Amino acid sequence: AQKVTQAQTEISVVEKEDVTLDCVYETRDTTYYLFWYKQPPSGELVFLIRRNSFDEQNEISGRYSWNFQKSTSSFNFTITASQVVDSAVYFCALSEENQGGKLIFGQGTELSVKP
Amino acid sequence: EADIYQTPRYLVIGTGKKITLECSQTMGHDKMYWYQQDPGMELHLIHYSYGVNSTEKGDLSSESTVSRIRTEHFPLTLESARPSHTSQYLCASSEFKGQGRETQYFGPGTRLLVL
Repeated sequence: AQKVTQAQTEISVVEKEDVTLDCVYETRDTTYYLFWYKQPPSGELVFLIRRNSFDEQNEISGRYSWNFQKSTSSFNFTITASQVVDSAVYFCALSEENQGGKLIFGQGTELSVKP
Repeated sequence: EADIYQTPRYLVIGTGKKITLECSQTMGHDKMYWYQQDPGMELHLIHYSYGVNSTEKGDLSSESTVSRIRTEHFPLTLESARPSHTSQYLCASSEFKGQGRETQYFGPGTRLLVL
């Protein structure tokens, strides 16, 4: 069965530190998609990235980078030089080819960046 | 990115009342979803729709009902609210692309408190 695990419930860092949020997934499909969303205190989910199972190239967007490794079924998210505005709950999610676009979410990691 | 709206943002209501949570999107997306999220917890899919007159129950059983009479509108109704319904409700939409390639975009959420 499909599953997404975010083992880190809470992370606290000081501003300008780098931080990595872990995501491990389980799926039997060969075609699937992985996502990261950010949920700030205001409550909405903000889409950050989507990755398909055939593209293991790492992605960088400003201070954000993502490391996708099929060998370890992981899709980790790194924030470089963290800022207070990065404080939020971050969710990793999985969508499988045959599930009609439905998302399976991890439990979320609450990141607190202190000044 | 989708423009997706939810009203009300906050609702405090007494037990036994009927409530309707509104969700609208302006992007013409075929698919729409409702998630329930308790504070600090993962999201659970409670309803989804693949188009007009299409509604399905999600993975988490819910006493709520939904309708999809228009593409842009996907309201959720609770006939008789109970304290156990207290939660945040998030609406999302996506453009159909097949094979799970869709990206879901979320509204700001409705925080419901039933007294």
